[in-house]
Amino acid sequence: AQTVTQSQPEMSVQEAETVTLSCTYDTSESDYYLFWYKQPPSRQMILVIRQEAYKQQNATENRFSVNFQKAAKSFSLKISDSQLGDAAMYFCAYRSAQGGSEKLVFGKGTKLTVNP
Amino acid sequence: EAQVTQNPRYLITVTGKKLTVTCSQNMNHEYMSWYRQDPGLGLRQIYYSMNVEVTDKGDVPEGYKVSRKEKRNFPLILESPSPNQTSLYFCASSLSQGRTFFGQGTRLTVV
Repeated sequence: AQTVTQSQPEMSVQEAETVTLSCTYDTSESDYYLFWYKQPPSRQMILVIRQEAYKQQNATENRFSVNFQKAAKSFSLKISDSQLGDAAMYFCAYRSAQGGSEKLVFGKGTKLTVNP
Repeated sequence: EAQVTQNPRYLITVTGKKLTVTCSQNMNHEYMSWYRQDPGLGLRQIYYSMNVEVTDKGDVPEGYKVSRKEKRNFPLILESPSPNQTSLYFCASSLSQGRTFFGQGTRLTVV
């Protein structure tokens, strides 16, 4: 079974600075998807970024980028120029590309605080 | 607007009183799932459905039931709720290998 590990329960960053959230995963599959979700106090699950395992190029979305290291099974999220609105719980998630349940396997989350 | 709608958003109930949390999507998605979110545990899949009348257990199915009589609806049923089912629940839907859409969440408290 696949597992996702987020080793940082909490992180903090100063406004306008850069922060990196860590995520490692375990799988025997070669084709899969990785995601970062943001959950603000409203509880809504917001997709931040998505990475296909077969793509070597790291995904980017504006101030958000990932460092995808397939051999190391590592998938970290970098937030540049942090803003107060980035404060939230962040979840790393894995999904198999083999189809079936479309199950997302989540890490336990990292709570990000942005200090003004 | 493409969306997944859950109701109710908040629910407080007593142990043993049957309840249903509804979920509906307007995107004609085949796949629907229920997750529960607990502090320090992240989100875990309870049940999923690949299409009408096709459902299967996820990682934490004990104490829950689901049904998929129509493609758009996927209700979560707690026949006899217990305090350990106090949690935040999310319904989700997607096409195969497509983007997953989440509902707004249902905060359930069982006393």
